[in-house]
Amino acid sequence: QVQLVQSGAEVKKPGASVKVSCKTSGYNFIGYHINWARQAPGQGLEWVGWINPNGGGTNYAQKFQGRVALTMDTSIFYMEVNRLTSDDTAVYYCGRDNNDAMDVWGQGTTVTVSS
Amino acid sequence: QSVLTQPPSASGTPGQRVTVSCSGGSSNIGSYTVNWYRQLPGTAPKLLIYNNNQRPSGVPDRFSASKSATSASLAISGLQSEDEADYYCSTWDDSLNGYLFGTGTKVNVL
Repeated sequence: QVQLVQSGAEVKKPGASVKVSCKTSGYNFIGYHINWARQAPGQGLEWVGWINPNGGGTNYAQKFQGRVALTMDTSIFYMEVNRLTSDDTAVYYCGRDNNDAMDVWGQGTTVTVSS
Repeated sequence: QSVLTQPPSASGTPGQRVTVSCSGGSSNIGSYTVNWYRQLPGTAPKLLIYNNNQRPSGVPDRFSASKSATSASLAISGLQSEDEADYYCSTWDDSLNGYLFGTGTKVNVL
């Protein structure tokens, strides 16, 4: 079955970087963009960006441009967030894009930024 | 406007029908299809409705949705205790050149 499995929780200091992985299986990964979204504690969902596995093209939400990098290595996708602040404390999710809907999601990765 | 506005909460008793609204603008709902996601406490969101009113396999027909101009709505009929969750609408936005999620609605089963 289609699965997206994310890496484990991270604790980082302000100014550091974090790299979260999303391992896909059960489908032809080339055919579907992978989205990333995040959810701060007690808040709603916020889209971060997507990567097209067919060529590696990316699209970022304006507020993350220049600070987030989406990459991939065959069927494993990565999101790196640089220059972390406490506002980046959130659960980060990857999700498969199927005709503009995120039809399968990873379990989420908690990133805590604290001095 | 590049924001999708939902009511913070909606409530109903078991068996009742509850609706959740999602208000946007011409650059988002007015131009693109709407999806709905359900998020149970402490879990990842799950796709509930796609392409305005289509249910993925496994989603019961108690869930229905519609779209009109720059607004969309989700209806839950025959409300059950397990429907207590957060619900989000979502669509693409031309002005932002990215996906938008609604502000989210907490559905309470009384």
